[in-house]
Amino acid sequence: GAVVSQHPSRVICKSGTSVKIECRSLDFQATTMFWYRQFPKQSLMLMATSNEGSKATYEQGVEKDKFLINHASLTLSTLTVTSAHPEDSSFYICSARVSSGGRSYNEQFFGPGTRLTVL
Amino acid sequence: EDQVTQSPEALRLQEGESSSLNCSYTVSGLRGLFWYRQDPGKGPEFLFTLYSAGEEKEKERLKATLTKKESFLHITAPKPEDSATYLCAVQAPNSGYALNFGKGTSLLVTP
Repeated sequence: GAVVSQHPSRVICKSGTSVKIECRSLDFQATTMFWYRQFPKQSLMLMATSNEGSKATYEQGVEKDKFLINHASLTLSTLTVTSAHPEDSSFYICSARVSSGGRSYNEQFFGPGTRLTVL
Repeated sequence: EDQVTQSPEALRLQEGESSSLNCSYTVSGLRGLFWYRQDPGKGPEFLFTLYSAGEEKEKERLKATLTKKESFLHITAPKPEDSATYLCAVQAPNSGYALNFGKGTSLLVTP
């Protein structure tokens, strides 16, 4: 299947610091990427939709000033958790929707996830 | 409001014992229904996308089917390595292309 990478895979930080997570589609282009978070034993909850070259669209209840999203190219989106607090600790997963690159259009592939722990 | 309900929550099978997982949905104008497999601590792995009632797709021991109200993931002669959480998600016209996930079915296949 198509490959989506995330970096870092795991991060531990102090309360008040900012953390940047990268999401890359390695073998296809994605005009749209999505950011989800997943709490233990729960399903994925959509945080925001990231469109290349435009502002991200945030779900209700997600603070856009806290979770900064940048979709700088057709293969890269970043999520920055600003002034992180312990309640932001979670598993963050990105997905990329195929727009071109030899894959079936509209298929969506997920990254391996980033485990964020805020002390 | 769009809803996705998966059943059962958990399923335990013996190796070789075939079964089906259910995903019921209420979506106006379904764009697509997606199945993923997720192992603990990892991102979901894409399995299938179905777009219209009557459509079926197969991959190894897995077969996904779609009706106007639900989708089934049939597992034929499962092996222990099929143990995982299986997630169903729907894509609705008013959600852009984002996916709305069900809570998943946790499958355990014992030798």
